[in-house]
Amino acid sequence: NAGVMQNPRHLVRRRGQEARLRCSPVKGHSHVYWYRQLPEEGLKFMVYLQKENIIDESGMPKERFSAEFPKEGPSILRIQQVVRGDSAAYFCASSPAAGQNEQFFGPGTRLTVL
Amino acid sequence: GQNIDQPTEMTATEGAIVQINCTYQTSGFNGLFWYQQHAGEAPTFLSYNVLDGLEEKGRFSSFLSRSKGYSYLLLKELQMKDSASYLCAVTPYGYKLSFGAGTTVTVRA
Repeated sequence: NAGVMQNPRHLVRRRGQEARLRCSPVKGHSHVYWYRQLPEEGLKFMVYLQKENIIDESGMPKERFSAEFPKEGPSILRIQQVVRGDSAAYFCASSPAAGQNEQFFGPGTRLTVL
Repeated sequence: GQNIDQPTEMTATEGAIVQINCTYQTSGFNGLFWYQQHAGEAPTFLSYNVLDGLEEKGRFSSFLSRSKGYSYLLLKELQMKDSASYLCAVTPYGYKLSFGAGTTVTVRA
């Protein structure tokens, strides 16, 4: 009974490279959320997706960041042309439905930009 | 906008009780969550309150007052493994969690 899986757990990129973060939700969950946690700060909402649809991307920077949750396969958070300020822990969460349901979090991907 | 405040750090002795307060000002309210996060790990769900009052679950209890925009998490019979960060989060309209910065609790022997 696997929980939310994220890979890689640690990712190192040089400035200007691309980072691709993967999230496999709990089996049967069709709602995925991405959060970013900067050092000494709380988790900040980035984007909410249902299968094949972006529902709310109000927390995601307009440039360089994109997210998808295809019909088959994991959700992907993609960061193009990374900069040092993108260094953070990126957490994915999933739920069976929106609303009051608990969100189950993955272990996170720690991105370091050199 | 959303504003969620909680203390940065708290220290307590093994076996004692600690109360972590959380105050919030949000544009809407559809529930308040408490999560526990050990260093380098995923946040794990502790409690959910949507109505006023106290919810008890083993050694952990959570209280909510919507009129005051206030919640607390009560940890009883503290154990060393309770040393972690405790995150207060409000969902203004059902899915987007707005988190406070977290309270780091250190349990000393």
